[in-house]
Amino acid sequence: QSVLTQPPSVSAAPGQKVTISCSGSSSNIGNNYVSWYQQLPGTAPKLLIYENNKRPSGIPDRFSGSKSGTSATLGITGLQTGDEADYYCETWDSSLSTYVFGTGTKVTVL
Amino acid sequence: EVQLVQSGAEVKKPGESLKISCKGSGYSFTSYWIGWVRQMPGKGLEWMGIIYPGDSDIRYSPSFQGQVTISADKSISTAYLQWSSLKASDTAMYYCARVKVRNWFDPWGQGTLVTVSS
Repeated sequence: QSVLTQPPSVSAAPGQKVTISCSGSSSNIGNNYVSWYQQLPGTAPKLLIYENNKRPSGIPDRFSGSKSGTSATLGITGLQTGDEADYYCETWDSSLSTYVFGTGTKVTVL
Repeated sequence: EVQLVQSGAEVKKPGESLKISCKGSGYSFTSYWIGWVRQMPGKGLEWMGIIYPGDSDIRYSPSFQGQVTISADKSISTAYLQWSSLKASDTAMYYCARVKVRNWFDPWGQGTLVTVSS
């Protein structure tokens, strides 16, 4: 079981906004950078957000990240059918000395 | 373009050995860590370990220490993940990714599906 907790699923209609939470502790999210990854069905994960709130080149500004204390949040605005995927948060855990991934959240576009 | 290309799918029997590969291109292979991540069928992502090809420094997740061996050959920009005796529970998709320490995993390889069945 992961030390980073995400909701199993979130859903919204096309054009709407969803947020995905990632809850951790002071040994991981609280003192380290958070990244977010998108995994489209049948494909490898892809980096969406790094250093809590930065987007790699090519990632649309519909995707945003934030961090407060021991939690992080991924936001997706203007939801599109192509956004249907699993989303994972990730960070370093200083106590475990391991990288940790969140439990994953499935986004469904209604 | 920075790219990681993994070796093809494998079907093995319990007890057999296996070595899968991950070849990097488009960047200085010896300047970034390479990480391995397991995804069991229908499950989430699990970090297995990382290697720095520049000096072969290796760190394992406690969950995978002793279960797998990570290595690299910097002369051919390739990292490896190997098992000496596979189990059915090793059936999973395995991904490699370039890693910035305590930061991001990017890009990811396309994945290698390992199936272990008698």
